[in-house]
Order: sequence, then structure tokens, then C-alpha cells
Amino acid sequence: GENVEQHPSTLSVQEGDSAVIKCTYSDSASNYFPWYKQELGKGPQLIIDIRSNVGEKKDQRIAVTLNKTAKHFSLHITETQPEDSAVYFCADGGSNYKLTFGKGTLLTVNP
Amino acid sequence: DAGITQSPRHKVTETGTPVTLRCHQTENHRYMYWYRQDPGHGLRLIHYSYGVKDTDKGEVSDGYSVSRSKTEDFLLTLESATSSQTSVYFCAISESPGGGSYEQYFGPGTRLTVT
Repeated sequence: GENVEQHPSTLSVQEGDSAVIKCTYSDSASNYFPWYKQELGKGPQLIIDIRSNVGEKKDQRIAVTLNKTAKHFSLHITETQPEDSAVYFCADGGSNYKLTFGKGTLLTVNP
Repeated sequence: DAGITQSPRHKVTETGTPVTLRCHQTENHRYMYWYRQDPGHGLRLIHYSYGVKDTDKGEVSDGYSVSRSKTEDFLLTLESATSSQTSVYFCAISESPGGGSYEQYFGPGTRLTVT
């Protein structure tokens, strides 16, 4: 991947609402798109990923959608809980084994 | 943290001194990476390794060198630390992408302060 734009940089929601974070990428050869969650003082943790041969993937309250034509992918968190508060990073796997990361989104879930 | 340890976890050093950070894995993964994390920049790749003694540069490699003499250890060296290298450093590991697997797993990080 060459360049990954992530929006928004901060997001505040009420507990129980949904949260959506979007990323766009530039490398048309990219075929792997992971999302990481980073809690304060810890390393990033892989929470979900998607490959270019599918358009959507779900895992309980989180889902990722991919639009290869438009070169964007999104993270969806439903029924948000205070423990979802963290910084979320998207990444683009490009056509090799290196990841290019977005700059991150600080999600705050208010009780 | 997927069998990854980093040492030290915190370090304060003076400008001009050499510093070596260590990443150790127990997963026998082929690929290892060093990133730095700074506010407003996210995670940026410094160097990576695709096997013992096989390394290559990332996007912010200037001022850093790496070595990998064993599968389980990947060392990052700052030959002469500068204040601009104050950052949090993360190591990550990954299996061979030969089977289409790109998942990277991160260590707990090392906070380095250069005064």
C-alpha cells in the first residue's frame, strides 16, 4: 500500500449507538485490509480483517465492508460499549507483506 | 501479545548515545517488523525482516539499523540517538504470506525518550 487516509480522526458516540470509521487507499493491487484496536499503553490488536475477494465480513458486533472499485473500506461497530473506547487503525496490505497504516481514529463511547 | 516480548519497555537516553531495542518471539514466525508510533503519524515502518539475516528498509529507516541472527530475535539499533527518535517503538511478527496470510501481531511496545 502507498497511502491510506482514515476518517474521522476522533469520534464520540453514546453507548448503544453505532460507530463507523472509513479508510481509503491508493494501491489498486492491494488485497488485504486489517483493522487494529489499540488501548492506552498497549500494542495494537488485530480485531478483524478482509481480503479483496469478499465485500463484507462480520464478527459479532464488528463488521468490515470493502468497495474495491471506490478503493475504500469501513469498520462498523454496533451496540457500542464503553470498553470499545480506544484508538482504531486501518491498514492496507498492498501487494506484498508490508502494511501501510492510517493515522488512527480515537473512539470514545460515552456511558 | 501473541508470544512477543520487547525489551526494555522504557528507556531514557542522551543524545548521541547508541541504543538497542530487542524483540523476541516464541511463535517461530518468519517475518518481523519494527514500527515507530508518533502522535499524528500513526504507525510507520522502520525496517523489516523476511528471514534470518534477511532485512530491508521501511519508510522511515534513516538513523536506524537492524539485525536478525536468529529466527526469534530482531534487534533495532539507533547508532547515535537524536531527540527526533523519541517515540514508542513496536515490534510485530507475521507468518509467511505464501499462503495469503498477512496478519501481523504486535508486541507491547518500548517507550524511548532521548534527552
